[in-house]
Amino acid sequence: AQKITQTQPGMFVQEKEAVTLDCTYDTSDQSYGLFWYKQPSSGEMIFLIYQGSYDEQNATEGRYSLNFQKARKSANLVISASQLGDSAMYFCAMRETYSGAGSYQLTFGKGTKLSVIP
Amino acid sequence: DGGITQSPKYLFRKEGQNVTLSCEQNLNHDAMYWYRQDPGQGLRLIYYSQIVNDFQKGDIAEGYSVSREKKESFPLTVTSAQKNPTAFYLCATHSGLAGWDNTGELFFGEGSRLTVL
Repeated sequence: AQKITQTQPGMFVQEKEAVTLDCTYDTSDQSYGLFWYKQPSSGEMIFLIYQGSYDEQNATEGRYSLNFQKARKSANLVISASQLGDSAMYFCAMRETYSGAGSYQLTFGKGTKLSVIP
Repeated sequence: DGGITQSPKYLFRKEGQNVTLSCEQNLNHDAMYWYRQDPGQGLRLIYYSQIVNDFQKGDIAEGYSVSREKKESFPLTVTSAQKNPTAFYLCATHSGLAGWDNTGELFFGEGSRLTVL
């Protein structure tokens, strides 16, 4: 079974509207972290937002917020007031079990391509 | 500027040739990683290294080799044994500092695109 599932291969959103990108995860660990990265056409992966499994409040970073529903194992990314520059691939990723040895391995979903329409 | 430099950005290889992708960082991070990305796919871990002179295989290490002789450098060699090497390769780093307040965020380079002719 996939550890990270992103069910939306592509999404369209009108400029200035909000959009939600879905992510569900599968883990038996109690301690884990969830990330969202943005990948523009240039290829670089840009960190957007992080949610720890013990964090009680949803993470927010500017126009990005993470809708964390632990019982449903979902970590959806919400982008408010979409801009043309938001057009990119978006990846959800998970870090499991803190190893204590500095090994932070992330497992990535297959991504969602977001297109912002003027 | 602090960051991660991958080179070359684009690389073409004939079948049967080994090629080496460079990854250099000046972030003073302990951990370094190599990921492979195929079209329509997420990133898959090839190799990672937590400290100098030590590295571990990731999920798809076959046909690849790495070295970590210096903290700043983690080159990836794509050998002729890799059957389908055409892909986008991303190098990443992590500070490696222990602690629950460390999110585990990875910092990425701009990637190298390898095409086998």
